Amino acid sequence: QLQLQESGPGLVKPSETLSLTCTLSGGFIGSSSVYWGWIRQPPGKALEWIGSMYYGGKSYYNPSLKSRVTISVDTSKNQFSLRLNSVTAADTAVYYCARWPDNSGSHFWGQGTLVTVSS
Amino acid sequence: QSVLTQPPSASGTPGQRVTISCSGSMSNIQYNYVYWYQHLPGTAPKLLIFRNNQRPSGVPDRFSGSKSGTSASLAISGLRSEDEADYYCATWDDSLTGGVFGGGTRLTVL
Repeated sequence: QLQLQESGPGLVKPSETLSLTCTLSGGFIGSSSVYWGWIRQPPGKALEWIGSMYYGGKSYYNPSLKSRVTISVDTSKNQFSLRLNSVTAADTAVYYCARWPDNSGSHFWGQGTLVTVSS
Repeated sequence: QSVLTQPPSASGTPGQRVTISCSGSMSNIQYNYVYWYQHLPGTAPKLLIFRNNQRPSGVPDRFSGSKSGTSASLAISGLRSEDEADYYCATWDDSLTGGVFGGGTRLTVL
């Protein structure tokens, strides 16, 4: 059974770069026809899609974050990563990695990790 | 302001049937699959509905999804106290070329 686990710093200073990694177990990140994505939820707010990467193909990003976001894949480590530049307090959120979008009916999400932006 | 519009709250008594709406547009709901998630505090969202009206294995048939034009709905019948949670719709938006989530609906079981 595929499992995803987020990892990375829980505290990031304003103007710095938020970096998170999602490690897969029980499956291969290089599977065809699969999107790997990041979704976040700021405190008290709704879920927000950050971006998704089609393995071996294009990346898609939330237009509101596009200038600051990069999603990349490292097949040697069976991981994919999120980088969000120039963070502010508004980027404080629980960040989830997920196989998203996924029309197969499967549901693979990480448990989420809280990242706080504060000096 | 979310691209997909959901009512901020809904409520019902045990055993009742409640419906949560999700309003979008031609660039998202009309021509793309809709997902519905149940979200409890401190946990990852749980997939309830995919492909507009399909239930993943393990999701009770009390939960059902439908779509018509630019709107979608989640219905929960035989309401239970454990259904109290936040519910989100989501889909792909062809104009934005990206995913979109609704603003979420907090369901209270009275």
